[in-house]
Amino acid sequence: GNSVTQMEGPVTLSEEAFLTINCTYTATGYPSLFWYVQYPGEGLQLLLKATKADDKGSNKGFEATYRKETTSFHLEKGSVQVSDSAVYFCALSPRSSNTGKLIFGQGTTLQVKP
Amino acid sequence: EAGVVQSPRYKIIEKKQPVAFWCNPISGHNTLYWYRQNLGQGPELLIRYENEEAVDDSQLPKDRFSAERLKGVDSTLKIQPAELGDSAVYLCASSPGSQGTNEQFFGPGTRLTVL
Repeated sequence: GNSVTQMEGPVTLSEEAFLTINCTYTATGYPSLFWYVQYPGEGLQLLLKATKADDKGSNKGFEATYRKETTSFHLEKGSVQVSDSAVYFCALSPRSSNTGKLIFGQGTTLQVKP
Repeated sequence: EAGVVQSPRYKIIEKKQPVAFWCNPISGHNTLYWYRQNLGQGPELLIRYENEEAVDDSQLPKDRFSAERLKGVDSTLKIQPAELGDSAVYLCASSPGSQGTNEQFFGPGTRLTVL
């Protein structure tokens, strides 16, 4: 079946530190991959996406590369800010169904301290 | 542009009572999703609509949950009767189409507590 596994949180970093949040997936075929972010008190919003192998999604200084060989989509940022504190969700949309259905990981909480 | 609107934001009820959640998607979005998010977990799809048709309700517990999307715009999700295990955040999302590459836009959710 289709599933997404994220690293356990919470992740606590100091401002300007380097961030990596690991995400691996299991899927039939080649799904589309997404990172969503949920800021306190707000709904989930799309951070970035990649729709085929070796694609790199990027937004607001965050990047993630679709790695087919390792079935991974790790989220990275070179220098985090306090305002990046949020819950980050990795998700996939199975290509086989093409229904837009999203399958989410359990989420990783990021806390950035000044 | 207005985002996805949900109401109420919070609801506390006793078990065995009915409850309903309302969602107004982004104008022009044909596809609407209802998700349930348990504490510390990612959202899980309950039902997907294409216009007014429910095209994927395989994850909806049909003995107590029901949903409708009259006229293909607003949608209502109902639970009757509610159980303790239904405590969760119920999220509504919409997208302009159902292709797997489309972005889904989420509302703020309704946090349900069943006592």
